Amino acid sequence: DADVTQTPRNRITKTGKRIMLECSQTKGHDRMYWYRQDPGLGLRLIYYSFDVKDINKGEISDGYSVSRQAQAKFSLSLESAIPNQTALYFCATSGLDRFQEEEGYTFGSGTRLTVV
Amino acid sequence: KNQVEQSPQSLIILEGKNCTLQCNYTVSPFSNLRWYKQDTGRGPVSLTIMTFSENTKSNGRYTATLDADTKQSSLHITASQLSDSASYICVVSVRYGGSQGNLIFGKGTKLSVKP
Repeated sequence: DADVTQTPRNRITKTGKRIMLECSQTKGHDRMYWYRQDPGLGLRLIYYSFDVKDINKGEISDGYSVSRQAQAKFSLSLESAIPNQTALYFCATSGLDRFQEEEGYTFGSGTRLTVV
Repeated sequence: KNQVEQSPQSLIILEGKNCTLQCNYTVSPFSNLRWYKQDTGRGPVSLTIMTFSENTKSNGRYTATLDADTKQSSLHITASQLSDSASYICVVSVRYGGSQGNLIFGKGTKLSVKP
């Protein structure tokens, strides 16, 4: 099984619909992230969470919300999807090493979302 | 704003040839630099991670270099294989990145290896 699992892998939805993307991890990491990737652009941070009670907005949080249901689960919601939210979405996790430095990130396989 | 620039944007090489990808960054305070490989439709996978004091790190046919003075890094791929076809992303880690996050991503270099 993958360390970071995203569902669904692909989704087509209509403008105005609410949609939830889910992420679960078996790494035991406290830190979880949602990124968005558009063609020709680097990954951009939507939301991040350093533990279950900690939620922070990223660079492009408008139009999105998140929920950290447990250490292992972090979901991303689009309350009212619009076409420019069509993109590839990645969930990632990271932990801290013994020096309290952030360790390498593990990414999920992505969710390809199309809003029509 | 912290930024990471990669070149070239895309590259086509013949199988068995070597290539070098470039990364320049304007990031502060620097924590480490990572190279990721991203296959089409998949998530990025880490190839190397280098701290400030490391100049070179290898992972099989991949060798990354870091010049912290000039804020440049390169990824050299030796004896390329068809399976090397992917996007290669340079990522610089910062401390306390705020809303941009602790990882600053380059846009990637798309490498195509042809038979």
